[in-house]
Amino acid sequence: EVQLVQSGAEVKKPGESLKISCKGSGYSFTSYWIGWVRQMPGKGLEWMGIIYPGDSDTRYSPSFQGQVTISADKSISTAYLQWSSLKASDTAMYYCARLPPAAGPFDYWGQGTLVTVSS
Amino acid sequence: EIVLTQSPGTLSLSPGERATLSCRASQSVSSSYLAWYQQKPGQAPRLLIYGASSRATGIPDRFSGSGSGTDFTLTISRLEPEDFAVYYCQQYGSSPPGTFGPGTKVDIK
Repeated sequence: EVQLVQSGAEVKKPGESLKISCKGSGYSFTSYWIGWVRQMPGKGLEWMGIIYPGDSDTRYSPSFQGQVTISADKSISTAYLQWSSLKASDTAMYYCARLPPAAGPFDYWGQGTLVTVSS
Repeated sequence: EIVLTQSPGTLSLSPGERATLSCRASQSVSSSYLAWYQQKPGQAPRLLIYGASSRATGIPDRFSGSGSGTDFTLTISRLEPEDFAVYYCQQYGSSPPGTFGPGTKVDIK
C-alpha cells in the first residue's frame, strides 16, 4: 500500500527556521517525483515544487523559488520542505504528494502538516 | 504559466441531482493533462480524474471527466451525501508549475 506520512504540526515564531518531512513507503521511492502543495487557511491549493529522489532533480514554482528549499534523502525514503526564516504568511497546511515519473497528476497524498507562524 | 478558472464558485444541489463543474484554461492544456481532485474538510485532496477523462483507482463511475484544449468538465451523475466537497482542477502538462484552479464548492441545497 502506497503511503506518504508527514511530520507533525509545528508552531514557530517569525524568523525561525523549519524543516518538515514526508516519508514514502509501499513503492519505489526513487522512481516517482514528490511534490509539495500549500493550502493557506480557507484557501485553495498552490503547487510549490517537486523533487525526483532518484537524482535530486528539483523544480520550483516561480512563486516559491528562493522562498523554500525542497530536498530528499533516498536512503530513508524521505522528502523535505524547509524554510530558513519563517514569516507569518507561511502559516498554512502543507501537503506532500506523489507524481508518476512521466507527466502525471498527484496520485497519492500525505495527511498534511500544519505550520503556524506567530509571535 | 497556464491560469485555470473554475465555475461556478459554489454549486448548491440536492442529493440525487446531477452536478456539472467547469474548468477553463488560459491556453491549451497539452495532451489533455488535466486532473480533478476532491477535498473534504480536514482531509487531504483525493485524485478523481486524470488525463481529462480517466477515473483514478477506486473512484465510482458516477464521476466522469470530459473536454480538451482549454475547456474541461467534471460531471457527477447523481450526487451522494459524501460527494459534497470542494473540487479542484489541475493542469500538469506545462510544469512547473502544475497550476490548480481556485475550486468549486458543491454544497447541500
